[in-house]
Amino acid sequence: GAVVSQHPSWVICKSGTSVKIECRSLDFQATTMFWYRQFPKQSLMLMATSNEGSKATYEQGVEKDKFLINHASLTLSTLTVTSAHPEDSSFYICSAVTSGADTQYFGPGTRLTVL
Amino acid sequence: AQSVAQPEDQVNVAEGNPLTVKCTYSVSGNPYLFWYVQYPNRGLQFLLKYITGDNLVKGSYGFEAEFNKSQTSFHLKKPSALVSDSALYFCAVRDQTGGFKTIFGAGTRLFVKA
Repeated sequence: GAVVSQHPSWVICKSGTSVKIECRSLDFQATTMFWYRQFPKQSLMLMATSNEGSKATYEQGVEKDKFLINHASLTLSTLTVTSAHPEDSSFYICSAVTSGADTQYFGPGTRLTVL
Repeated sequence: AQSVAQPEDQVNVAEGNPLTVKCTYSVSGNPYLFWYVQYPNRGLQFLLKYITGDNLVKGSYGFEAEFNKSQTSFHLKKPSALVSDSALYFCAVRDQTGGFKTIFGAGTRLFVKA
């Protein structure tokens, strides 16, 4: 149980294009999902918290217009990197929790490379 | 403010020997404490957690951790290391009164040598 998937697992795009990353909870309803960014050999940096049906809460320094988050259902959240640039290249990881639970379950991550 | 410190960037241990990965934390209230493991190009896998109760927590793959409130520590341990334990380990803390926001340590890379 508690499986979280991400798609795609890796993506390469040209500078200026937009990329959408999906995060799905496969066997539970995720009332809250989190999006993290991880640079090489560094820890996870929380980008935003999204609750189903409401606007995401972004951490300080994260551009909400650049990193669009949608949590339209209890099993799906999407992160869209708009007008991507090489500095957006990173490993993006989502996690999910269900109401009343205390443990986050993580997706396998998506490696984004912007050329 | 919440914070987590993993003082060692890397831990080296021989297979069969006990291992310890250190973690100290700071929260304003009571902590939820977690250990996660990450293999290359993968997401984080949950190992164990401390919420309340017994200070010694047992988790996946033979790992355990001891919550020490006076030292604000939550060190990860395993009696006998395996080569396959080589990975990146993250300690994480959440304030029980602060919602789900979780702070992660910088990570400790564990190398187990055969």
